[in-house]
Amino acid sequence: DVKVTQSSRYLVKRTGEKVFLECVQDMDHENMFWYRQDPGLGLRLIYFSYDVKMKEKGDIPEGYSVSREKKERFSLILESASTNQTSMYLCASSSSSGWNTGELFFGEGSRLTVL
Amino acid sequence: AQTVTQSQPEMSVQEAETVTLSCTYDTSESNYYLFWYKQPPSRQMILVIRQEAYKQQNATENRFSVNFQKAAKSFSLKISDSQLGDTAMYFCAFNPDSGSRLTFGEGTQLTVNP
Repeated sequence: DVKVTQSSRYLVKRTGEKVFLECVQDMDHENMFWYRQDPGLGLRLIYFSYDVKMKEKGDIPEGYSVSREKKERFSLILESASTNQTSMYLCASSSSSGWNTGELFFGEGSRLTVL
Repeated sequence: AQTVTQSQPEMSVQEAETVTLSCTYDTSESNYYLFWYKQPPSRQMILVIRQEAYKQQNATENRFSVNFQKAAKSFSLKISDSQLGDTAMYFCAFNPDSGSRLTFGEGTQLTVNP
């Protein structure tokens, strides 16, 4: 089974802190994604990566950056956390064929609270 | 740009009954994929069912089936013989064949009551 692991299930941070959310997948998938999930808004794409060191902006990239130094790991960085970034963050991965078919494998999510 | 709309924020159903979740989408693409994903409480989101737009036949996976109406841009999910484990948030999603990224709907929280 594909496993996507997010390093922290729950985080509480202060406004202005730098926040790292880590995601690791074990199925050698080319594509990785970071989504934000908010009630009534569904999932919104922050950033995605289709290869090591490659990244593309999603629909809501402002206030976020990403890093993909190794194929299996995709990190989401909040340079200076703000209260409006309080949310559930979901990491996902897909194979190269999944790029078209859209089948994603998700992690359990990281619930971030910014005080 | 694609949009996906789920007009039912919450639904409930009695165990063993049938429930249908609605989804509409808007696109100018001619070929695409549609999905229903399930997110159980505090657990990972998983793919429930997938439909390719060029296929006329509605997809079916055990108790889950879809009613795909391409002209109406409608993609509903029917769950038969509902079980307590079906309690989850359900998301409809769209992906164009051109190889972009998934667009998700707002989600429908389904509760199956004993």
